[in-house]
Amino acid sequence: KAGVTQTPRYLIKTRGQQVTLSCSPISGHRSVSWYQQTPGQGLQFLFEYFSETQRNKGNFPGRFSGRQFSNSRSEMNVSTLELGDSALYLCASSFGRDVETQYFGPGTRLLVL
Amino acid sequence: AQSVTQLGSHVSVSEGALVLLRCNYSSSVPPYLFWYVQYPNQGLQLLLKYTSAATLVKGINGFEAEFKKSETSFHLTKPSAHMSDAAEYFCAVSAPGRRALTFGSGTRLQVQP
Repeated sequence: KAGVTQTPRYLIKTRGQQVTLSCSPISGHRSVSWYQQTPGQGLQFLFEYFSETQRNKGNFPGRFSGRQFSNSRSEMNVSTLELGDSALYLCASSFGRDVETQYFGPGTRLLVL
Repeated sequence: AQSVTQLGSHVSVSEGALVLLRCNYSSSVPPYLFWYVQYPNQGLQLLLKYTSAATLVKGINGFEAEFKKSETSFHLTKPSAHMSDAAEYFCAVSAPGRRALTFGSGTRLQVQP
C-alpha cells in the first residue's frame, strides 16, 4: 500500500507570493492533518480535516488555510508569504478513528526568499 | 492545555549502550503519548504510543517507554544502541478524541562506534 505522498517536495517562493501544497493520504484514510516544522518553533499543528470538514485548527494566522476533497486528498495554502514561513510542511493521514497511528509523509520543504 | 518537555536536545551514546531519552508532559486530561523518530530528509515514523492501557509500551526497533503518572514522564529506552538508531526523536501528546499532536522540541541521538 502506498504511503502518504506530498507534492512538491521542494519549493522556492518569494515574499508576498502564495503557495499551495498537496497531500495524498493512504488509500482509505479519511483524516489528514498538517504540521509545520521549523528549527526555531519545532513541530506545530496547523489543522486537521476529516471528510472534507476542518475538525481542528492550530494557532496560525488566517494566511494559512486548507481544504480536503471528496477523495480525501488535501491541500494547504499560504498567502502573502513571509520569510518566517520557510519550513518543512508535513502531512499525516489516518482512518479518522480515535487514537490510531498517524502516518506522516516526507514533507514539502518551502523556502521563502 | 497540553505540553511536552524533552530534556536534552542532544544525546550521545556508544554503540551497544543503553539509550534513554527523557520526556515529561503536562496535561489537564489523561493524555495519549507518542514517540516518533525522524531520519534526515524524511517524515516522522511512529515508534510507540500510550493510550491508557499497559503502562509499559513496547514499540518497533527494540524501543520501549514507560508511562509514569506520578512523575508525569514517558521516557524512551532501548537496551542496546545501534548505529542505525541515530536520528531525531520527538515525544508528543494529544488529548483523547483529538488527533492534533503537541510535540516536544526533539532530541537528536548520536551513536558512536
